[in-house]
Amino acid sequence: DSGVTQTPKHLITATGQRVTLRCSPRSGDLSVYWYQQSLDQGLQFLIHYYNGEERAKGNILERFSAQQFPDLHSELNLSSLELGDSALYFCASSVGTAITGELFFGEGSRLTVL
Amino acid sequence: AQRVTQPEKLLSVFKGAPVELKCNYSYSGSPELFWYVQYSRQRLQLLLRHISRESIKGFTADLNKGETSFHLKKPFAQEEDSAMYYCALRSGVRGGSNYKLTFGKGTLLTVNP
Repeated sequence: DSGVTQTPKHLITATGQRVTLRCSPRSGDLSVYWYQQSLDQGLQFLIHYYNGEERAKGNILERFSAQQFPDLHSELNLSSLELGDSALYFCASSVGTAITGELFFGEGSRLTVL
Repeated sequence: AQRVTQPEKLLSVFKGAPVELKCNYSYSGSPELFWYVQYSRQRLQLLLRHISRESIKGFTADLNKGETSFHLKKPFAQEEDSAMYYCALRSGVRGGSNYKLTFGKGTLLTVNP
């Protein structure tokens, strides 16, 4: 499958812990976007990387950080986890900076914080 | 700041009935709007974009700048249209640091037989 892949699919952890979510974009896509989806907030934009550089930031908490590596995969690090961080985290990729507006989404990583 | 509002969390219609999913936006610049769809057990994917003025799977959406709306319409709903629909607004300067896609909270459409 040459689409966006995210690992892990499911993750259960405790408050105060730290986790890393990984995303591999579609072959050839240089942009990676991270979104958080919770029941009451919908899809919230977190951050956008283009070819290794941060390009846009949304409502990303200071406890969260991300980076995009030279091979273009990206990682989202979530630390000092709280119950409210439980959500589905989506990664999306696009050719360039999504001039057409089309993002290609992964299946998401479901994080449960107990 | 930009905002996308989808007033209906749930919308239920019968097969063959017209359907309209509402989307309103708030943005001071020139908006670019999109509809994304997520079918059961599938990934979120682009359905259509206002700039293309296209009809996809019988759906159309017209950007109304006066009413700041971008409602999605289909004259005759089909059962396979049942899905989660998200309206999205692209804001910022192309290639700029604030260039991003903002999504509404989504509307779950159920088309009953």
